Amino acid sequence: AQSVAQPEDQVNVAEGNPLTVKCTYSVSGNPYLFWYVQYPNRGLQFLLKYITGDNLVKGSYGFEAEFNKSQTSFHLKKPSALVSDSALYFCAVSRFSGGYNKLIFGAGTRLAVHP
Amino acid sequence: GAVVSQHPSWVICKSGTSVKIECRSLDFQATTMFWYRQFPKQSLMLMATSNEGSKATYEQGVEKDKFLINHASLTLSTLTVTSAHPEDSSFYICSASIRDRGPANSPLHFGNGTRLTVT
Repeated sequence: AQSVAQPEDQVNVAEGNPLTVKCTYSVSGNPYLFWYVQYPNRGLQFLLKYITGDNLVKGSYGFEAEFNKSQTSFHLKKPSALVSDSALYFCAVSRFSGGYNKLIFGAGTRLAVHP
Repeated sequence: GAVVSQHPSWVICKSGTSVKIECRSLDFQATTMFWYRQFPKQSLMLMATSNEGSKATYEQGVEKDKFLINHASLTLSTLTVTSAHPEDSSFYICSASIRDRGPANSPLHFGNGTRLTVT
């Protein structure tokens, strides 16, 4: 079964420092991987995705993620964190089931960027 | 582009009443819409998948008679929580896939969610 794991409930980073939010996946076949961000009482906003091609994927708001097949990881990164990056981040994998591609989300990681 | 509008953003209702939540794709045709439920400080749980003009497909453990889904057009899906109880209080989020793109190549676009509180 397709699944993703986010091992950290919360990540704390000082503003200006690099940040990493971890995600590992378990899939059969080629993985379709996504990162989304959620601000309080809002829906999810798409950040980036990996379908195929370059292992380093660049996305919105300066975020990027590195697909590592040998480690089955897809960690989200940003070189310099902003206080406004504080939010809930979800890693997701696409699962084909019942005729549809469905997104299966990890538990989420709360990112807190301190001034 | 690719805006999904969800209404209402919040609703408070009495136990035993029904509540309807609308999800509209404003500038694209959505072949498929998904309904998620999110408990406080938890991840999103997929409830059901709806396809325009056909019956919704519910995930295991989700009561189809409790959560009625209608996908009447390529731009509108509705979720009705019937005979609501306090345990139905939650944050409900819809999302949509753009028509004619392979789902894995089209990031789902999400509504801003509806916070339901049943008293």
